[in-house]
Order: sequence, then C-alpha cells, then structure tokens
Amino acid sequence: GDSVTQMEGPVTLSEEAFLTINCTYTATGYPSLFWYVQYPGEGLQLLLKATKADDKGSNKGFEATYRKETTSFHLEKGSVQVSDSAVYFCALSGGNTDKLIFGTGTRLQVFP
Amino acid sequence: GAGVSQSPRYKVAKRGQDVALRCDPISGHVSLFWYQQALGQGPEFLTYFQNEAQLDKSGLPSDRFFAERPEGSVSTLKIQRTQQEDSAVYLCASSVGRSSGVQYFGPGTRLTVT
Repeated sequence: GDSVTQMEGPVTLSEEAFLTINCTYTATGYPSLFWYVQYPGEGLQLLLKATKADDKGSNKGFEATYRKETTSFHLEKGSVQVSDSAVYFCALSGGNTDKLIFGTGTRLQVFP
Repeated sequence: GAGVSQSPRYKVAKRGQDVALRCDPISGHVSLFWYQQALGQGPEFLTYFQNEAQLDKSGLPSDRFFAERPEGSVSTLKIQRTQQEDSAVYLCASSVGRSSGVQYFGPGTRLTVT
C-alpha cells in the first residue's frame, strides 16, 4: 500500500542554518504531497503542498519540490529561526477518498 | 472564522468504559476525516465521511470503534469497551470537498485509558 518515509529526528540546528528534512513516498497513481507542521501545544497546520510532478510548494520560506523520478518531496529552508521549532510531517493523499497517509514526523529544534 | 473544534480536549477513561468524542467541522465543509495519533507517531486514518455518508471506514481498528455524522455536519467517534491500546490523540479534519487537497485539523482529543 501507499506509504511515506521521512528522516528520523530530532534535527538540531543553530539559528540561520540551512534545513533539509528528507521525505520519500511509495504510491500507486499520482498522489498529492503535503508538509504539515505541529507547533508546540498547537494542532496540525498545512505548511505547503504540491499536486503534480515538478510542482514546487512554498510558504514561510520553506520549499519542497515534487520529484516523481526519485519519489521524493524533501523540505528545505535556507535560514531557520527559533520559531521554526516544531514537528514536521510529510504526507500524501490520493485514491477515492483523499485520506492522508503521514510519515512518522521529524522534530526540529532550533537554538539561538 | 471558526476552525475545526473538538471536545473534550482531554478524556480519561477506565478500561472497559465507553467514550464519545465530538468533532465540529468548518461550516460548509463536505468532507470529514478521523485520524488516530499514537505518541511519537504520525496520524493514521480511521474513517471518512462525505456529507452524512461514511464512504471509507477501512482504518477503524476493531468493531469497538464506530463513527457517525447523521446530519452531514457534527461527527461523533465512539469507542466501546475501551482498552489501554486505545490511548492516543484522536484528530478530526475537514475539507471543502473531494479533491480539494487541503484538510484543516482540529486540536485533537487526548484519550488516556487507565
């Protein structure tokens, strides 16, 4: 069945460092791909999405490109801030119901 | 505008008790999803409604789990005879409709079974 694999955390960075969180997927057909973020004490929020191959999703300085050839959707940010500390989930949807299939999440900790 | 709300936010149940978890989706959203999130894991799909019709319940872990959305708005997830392995955060999400892509999540209900 469909699945998402993302790098284990925690990822610990200093402020202004470059961030990459790897995400790969297995799916039949052409799923949509998402990154959701969960800030401490808050609910899941959509960060960005891409619906077809080579699409780039971007928001708040974060970017991810839908790579069909490598079945990947890696999350990147050029300069992280302390306020980016959160848990990041990669997810896909598709099929008849648009249900989301999530990875296990990657905790990011940014220190000043 | 109001987002997705869930109640209660926290629930402690003794093993064997029945619980009911409520979800109020964003007004006008056709699709409603329930997910279960164990500690340190990503959310896992439980069930999906389109209006009042339950179109997919493939993720419900056992027949002790039951969900309904009788008027196509508020939904209730019921767990009968709770077990310790049911302890998790239960998330509700809604979206505008089929293939809209974006699901909006509520804050979740943290269920602890003792």
